[in-house]
Amino acid sequence: DSGVTQTPKHLITATGQRVTLRCSPRSGDLSVYWYQQSLDQGLQFLIQYYNGEERAKGNILERFSAQQFPDLHSELNLSSLELGDSALYFCASSVDSSYFYEQYFGPGTRLTVT
Amino acid sequence: AQSVTQPDIHITVSEGASLELRCNYSYGATPYLFWYVQSPGQGLQLLLKYFSGDTLVQGIKGFEAEFKRSQSSFNLRKPSVHWSDAAEYFCAGGGYQKVTFGTGTKLQVIP
Repeated sequence: DSGVTQTPKHLITATGQRVTLRCSPRSGDLSVYWYQQSLDQGLQFLIQYYNGEERAKGNILERFSAQQFPDLHSELNLSSLELGDSALYFCASSVDSSYFYEQYFGPGTRLTVT
Repeated sequence: AQSVTQPDIHITVSEGASLELRCNYSYGATPYLFWYVQSPGQGLQLLLKYFSGDTLVQGIKGFEAEFKRSQSSFNLRKPSVHWSDAAEYFCAGGGYQKVTFGTGTKLQVIP
């Protein structure tokens, strides 16, 4: 158990809909990362937050947004969903914002768009 | 551009045999390098990391990796593979602004 929790574990929704994925980092970790893992794209970095502020952006679509709240939990919002958004979404946390530090991954949320 | 390449998509080894998973990186300076393992249905777990110093790094579960600057490689090794090592392995490089993951190598272990 990494100490990172993600809810829900599974999500099935229809195209055009909007969903919110939630992540609680390990106790004491200030940085949260979101990743998308799909068969054709592999593991893609989406976005990083550090202590409530956006720190780095990766291959995140404009239809996706995220935020980190004062209690350090984070939410990833996916809107106007398309079939291609079906994937496993991971949250990871680390103690600091530098990529020197190990990232602890949650178990993921499997999103299926029908 | 910063990149990490894992040339082998799938590798099969016999239980008890030695293992080497390849990883090549392309970074301007010495990157932070990591190996993660992902068991089926699980998130990724760090096996080991390198950032400076001794080029041979020991990790958990009996894994080690060697940083070779001349070859831009950071290959993962294990002297004797166990059936429980069957998983997907990701090499990752951390540099300015983000960490980049390789495409992963799926390891199958046969009896």
